[in-house]
Amino acid sequence: DTAVSQTPKYLVTQMGNDKSIKCEQNLGHDTMYWYKQDSKKFLKIMFSYNNKELIINETVPNRFSPKSPDKAHLNLHINSLELGDSAVYFCASSLGTYRLSTGELFFGEGSRLTVL
Amino acid sequence: QKEVEQNSGPLSVPEGAIASLNCTYSDRGSQSFFWYRQYSGKSPELIMFIYSNGDKEDGRFTAQLNKASQYVSLLIRDSQPSDSATYLCAVPHGSSNTGKLIFGQGTTLQVKP
Repeated sequence: DTAVSQTPKYLVTQMGNDKSIKCEQNLGHDTMYWYKQDSKKFLKIMFSYNNKELIINETVPNRFSPKSPDKAHLNLHINSLELGDSAVYFCASSLGTYRLSTGELFFGEGSRLTVL
Repeated sequence: QKEVEQNSGPLSVPEGAIASLNCTYSDRGSQSFFWYRQYSGKSPELIMFIYSNGDKEDGRFTAQLNKASQYVSLLIRDSQPSDSATYLCAVPHGSSNTGKLIFGQGTTLQVKP
């Protein structure tokens, strides 16, 4: 069983379109995250939710809107896609924010977004 | 200054050699430090964490922490081609209660047979 699963794995789309990435975890974790990894492999946090509550919202354009319908799911919707949005988006989860002292983030396989 | 800095490499070592990966961080209050490994096209996975000054060994991997100098390193003994990957250093931002983990840009390691 996949612990953290994301769909789709690949998205290729035109500038200006809207797209969504879905994430689900079956680990029973309380906290979920979205990270963005650019072409230089730099991995940067975008959002995190703890029990459906938004707790981290980095300086991300408001074209990006996360939604957590329950603690096992965290989706990312992106409006009006731009070339610079091309990246790999990783969903991750952890047992709880307090548990991050052990650094245990469990990552999904990533969703590679290409904006043409 | 970036919060967590690594030399992006690539670092190339022959099979069987010791690979040494370094990371510096800016927040003197940081208490815990993590190494993630990311194979090409895959997701990062946690391989080591360290809290205390000194060395922590796990199999062929040794993490070294020097809080006074604000650096943490990862040594890989008897490097294997399967160790070829990008190694990401990560530090919790501020209080770990926020859940925010800051990653370095990663060092790409190439182990040549």
